[in-house]
Amino acid sequence: DAEITQSPRHKITETGRQVTLACHQTWNHNNMFWYRQDLGHGLRLIHYSYGVQDTNKGEVSDGYSVSRSNTEDLPLTLESAASSQTSVYFCASSERRDQLRSYNEQFFGPGTRLTVL
Amino acid sequence: KNQVEQSPQSLIILEGKNCTLQCNYTVSPFSNLRWYKQDTGRGPVSLTIMTFSENTKSNGRYTATLDADTKQSSLHITASQLSDSASYICVVSGTGGFKTIFGAGTRLFVKA
Repeated sequence: DAEITQSPRHKITETGRQVTLACHQTWNHNNMFWYRQDLGHGLRLIHYSYGVQDTNKGEVSDGYSVSRSNTEDLPLTLESAASSQTSVYFCASSERRDQLRSYNEQFFGPGTRLTVL
Repeated sequence: KNQVEQSPQSLIILEGKNCTLQCNYTVSPFSNLRWYKQDTGRGPVSLTIMTFSENTKSNGRYTATLDADTKQSSLHITASQLSDSASYICVVSGTGGFKTIFGAGTRLFVKA
């Protein structure tokens, strides 16, 4: 069955370290997204990609970067981890981009809980 | 400013009872509204989607309504079960590029 996976599921790191969170989907979806989820907030978009070599900033992109070298993977890198980046991170994918509408359902991974000490 | 507000923040009900969750939004121009269910420790899963021309959509015991004029939506859960304990997230998308706003969610606890 097609799926979307994230690794690691839990990560503890120290301030200033570089951290990379993996996201892998086997849906063959063009679109992939990274969100963070914090108490009292809705999911907030960090970065997204509409296809290989395409990346775009979301509303909370500072301190994060992504790269898309193939259809299946969109790794999220925290260049220098900060305590404010302690959060639960979700990766999602959807079928294709429609410029006028956003009908396409996003399928979410299980999340990565990141703690920055 | 595009916003999605959900109420209540949390809700406790007894198994077998009905409940209604609310979502108000200001996203414009409007494209569609989804309700997601998120179990603890899991990613959200879509329950329903409605476009501006639809005012009700059902998925089993879940029924979503949409009033595009007042920019309000509700999710009604009938005959609740323990497995309905989860967060329910309202997600509103606009047109013209990627504009999707997630509400903070309503945390539902169903007690035996």
